[in-house]
Amino acid sequence: SQTIHQWPATLVQPVGSPLSLECTVEGTSNPNLYWYRQAAGRGLQLLFYSVGIGQISSEVPQNLSASRPQDRQFILSSKKLLLSDSGFYLCAWSPLAGGPYTGELFFGEGSRLTVL
Amino acid sequence: RKEVEQDPGPFNVPEGATVAFNCTYSNSASQSFFWYRQDCRKEPKLLMSVYSSGNEDGRFTAQLNRASQYISLLIRDSKLSDSATYLCVVPNTGFQKLVFGTGTRLLVSP
Repeated sequence: SQTIHQWPATLVQPVGSPLSLECTVEGTSNPNLYWYRQAAGRGLQLLFYSVGIGQISSEVPQNLSASRPQDRQFILSSKKLLLSDSGFYLCAWSPLAGGPYTGELFFGEGSRLTVL
Repeated sequence: RKEVEQDPGPFNVPEGATVAFNCTYSNSASQSFFWYRQDCRKEPKLLMSVYSSGNEDGRFTAQLNRASQYISLLIRDSKLSDSATYLCVVPNTGFQKLVFGTGTRLLVSP
């Protein structure tokens, strides 16, 4: 069966510090991968999605970046965090023919980031 | 109109009650719609899919009104465990991604 892991689960970072969140998927090949952010009291905002190694689509201009160095690995990074980067970050995967067509989107357990 | 719009609630209902949430969407070309459930401080999980006029799964019924561009989720015989936030999800116009509503919070009390 397929599983998705993301870490760390919780982190508190000072403004201006770097960020690295990592996500890996097991049990499937060629998944579509996504990074979402959920700010307090707000909906899920799609940040990045990837349909293959090295292929990254950015949805919102910001100081975040994403990379997909391997088929089942997705990394979210920042060189300098802002206060507004605080939120609940969720990695997700969908089958190649899933996502918008089937609604199948499987989320990791999330990483709660607090920027002070 | 926003891509997906939901009443944030909260909806406070007693156990056993029937409750319904509505969601409006702007992508008139979409053929598929989804409801996700998100427990407090947890990740969202797919609850139901709606591909035609509606779908029923036990106590849960999802209905689609294409003319008015809204979908609804009906929960019958509410349980305490139904307390959660329910997210309405619709593909965007280009079908590259899923757009999530801000969610409707349901609180079921004894």
